[in-house]
Formats: sequence, C-alpha cells, structure tokens
Amino acid sequence: NAGVTQTPKFQVLKTGQSMTLQCAQDMNHNSMYWYRQDPGMGLRLIYYSASEGTTDKGEVPNGYNVSRLNKREFSLRLESAAPSQTSVYFCASKVAKNIQYFGAGTRLSVL
Amino acid sequence: SQQGEEDPQALSIQEGENATMNCSYKTSINNLQWYRQNSGRGLVHLILIRSNEREKHSGRLRVTLDTSKKSSSLLITASRAADTASYFCATDAPGANSKLTFGKGITLSVRP
Repeated sequence: NAGVTQTPKFQVLKTGQSMTLQCAQDMNHNSMYWYRQDPGMGLRLIYYSASEGTTDKGEVPNGYNVSRLNKREFSLRLESAAPSQTSVYFCASKVAKNIQYFGAGTRLSVL
Repeated sequence: SQQGEEDPQALSIQEGENATMNCSYKTSINNLQWYRQNSGRGLVHLILIRSNEREKHSGRLRVTLDTSKKSSSLLITASRAADTASYFCATDAPGANSKLTFGKGITLSVRP
C-alpha cells in the first residue's frame, strides 16, 4: 500500500518550458489536492478535485492546470513555467473527517 | 490567505522537555488538525479536534481548543530528538467544501 505517490521527485526547468506533475493514490479516496509550499508561506492550495470528473480552483491557481484522469490520478500541469513557480509541490488525498494524506513532494526549480 | 497562525515560529528545547505550540485562527471551524513535516518529506496527520471538543490526547500529544479565543495548542510531552520537525495547524471551516487552510508552521528542534 503505497498511499500517495508523486513523480518526479525533483525537476529543473527553464523559463517557458512545460511539464506535468503526476500524483496517484491507491486508497480509493474521492478528493485530491495540489498544494505548493514556499519558505515562510506554509501550504497554499492550487487546485482540488472533490470527485472524479470535477476540479476547482484553490487560493493560487494562476499558471496551473489540472486533470483528474480517474479516481486514482490527479495531475498538475505548468504550461509555461516561470521562476515564481519554483517551489515544493505536494499532492494529497482526503479520508474521513477531512484528514489528508500527503505525498513526498516534487521539488521544482525554474531557472 | 492563511487561516491559522502558529506561534512561536521556531522553538528549540532539550530532549525530555515539553514543547508547547500555539495556533490562532480567524473564522469558525468544523475541526482543527495538527500535522508534522520532517525535513524533505510530506505532511503527516497527527491529531484532529472537533469544534465541540476542548481537549484531546494521543500518546505524548495533547491538543486543546478554545473556540471563544479561536486558538489551539499542541503539547508534546517528554520530547525526543525524533520530534524535530515542522508542525502545522490546519482548519476545516464550514462551507469550505472540504478544503483545509494551513498555517505557516512552527519549526521545532529537540536537542539530544
């Protein structure tokens, strides 16, 4: 039982490049989330998906798109990366009482 | 915008001492949770306290909630070096559609 799996773990991009961060959970959870974590800022919600086929914006959605491919997978896409998107990205899924399980994170640098 | 604000921002204690961390929030909540994050890792859920509860225990953890003051505290008793981590409070507000709002975190260092 792997829980929440994120790939890749590390990525370096040049400004303007695109990439997709992958997230998969094997716990049959309906809700999934993407956060970014920046020093001194805590976690900020980018997008979330309450169920398969639905997605909604969070606090900081600009510059990102998401796809809820199926119940297991929720991907985050950067179409044209900017240095301001340098961050650590976390995917999470929700169990009862709104307790969230987190992946190990993707550390992204945009040069 | 951040709902929870933890205090202090950083705490350094000796192994065996107790660590107390505080969280304040701004709006009404369904529940409040505490998470731990070890360096380079994802967040791990520690404990949840509902808005109608005042205190909850789990092993060496004790959480209190004062809804009149919109504040919570996390007490770790008999701390260990392995407790060194960042700790975050997260609030679940009514009408927030299952979204959590996290504070900025407290960095706890436990010296052996």
